[in-house]
Amino acid sequence: DQQVKQNSPSLSVQEGRISILNCDYTNSMFDYFLWYKKYPAEGPTFLISISSIKDKNEDGRFTVFLNKSAKHLSLHIVPSQPGDSAVYFCAASVSISTNDMRFGAGTRLTVKP
Amino acid sequence: DTGVSQNPRHKITKRGQNVTFRCDPISEHNRLYWYRQTLGQGPEFLTYFQNEAQLEKSRLLSDRFSAERPKGSFSTLEIQRTEQGDSAMYLCASSPREGRGDSPLHFGNGTRLTVT
Repeated sequence: DQQVKQNSPSLSVQEGRISILNCDYTNSMFDYFLWYKKYPAEGPTFLISISSIKDKNEDGRFTVFLNKSAKHLSLHIVPSQPGDSAVYFCAASVSISTNDMRFGAGTRLTVKP
Repeated sequence: DTGVSQNPRHKITKRGQNVTFRCDPISEHNRLYWYRQTLGQGPEFLTYFQNEAQLEKSRLLSDRFSAERPKGSFSTLEIQRTEQGDSAMYLCASSPREGRGDSPLHFGNGTRLTVT
């Protein structure tokens, strides 16, 4: 039951360039979306979120875009830094529910110096 | 705020043995979650507590799995008669919001279980 999909298992970019990570979802009930970042041997760390009432949310170098009609969201990191190298998970939930948050399989980002 | 703490970090056990993991959430967080993550996958929901009440369990949580949060603070996850397919990273997360799904989860560093 893959309600949240990240179709690119890996992405490699040059330092200073833009990183774009993509995520698709199938459940139209989802109205709250998040990106988590995970380093080896650590748990996922919350990065940025967006509510379905918005189509863009920005926090420093990180911007999340939401296209509800396409059930697609993306995370842009600009400029990319070597310290951004990690696995990025997209997640989605239904805000009025205490139900579980669904995660994608993750995209491993490598930023080369 | 010392974050979500999980113990042990690693557990190696033989098939058929019982194991128990502990999670200490961020204090005053009343929501606590257990997730499981296998290689190449994202975290998968197992169960959820609001204070001491276990409000939801995933169908992934077989009868061999049991979770408790007796005083609404720390939680334990026990796996009985472990199988090799139980090998995974078990993640605990907590969240402060009451009754809503629109707040981030704060994850611990997980317990990696290896069943031989």
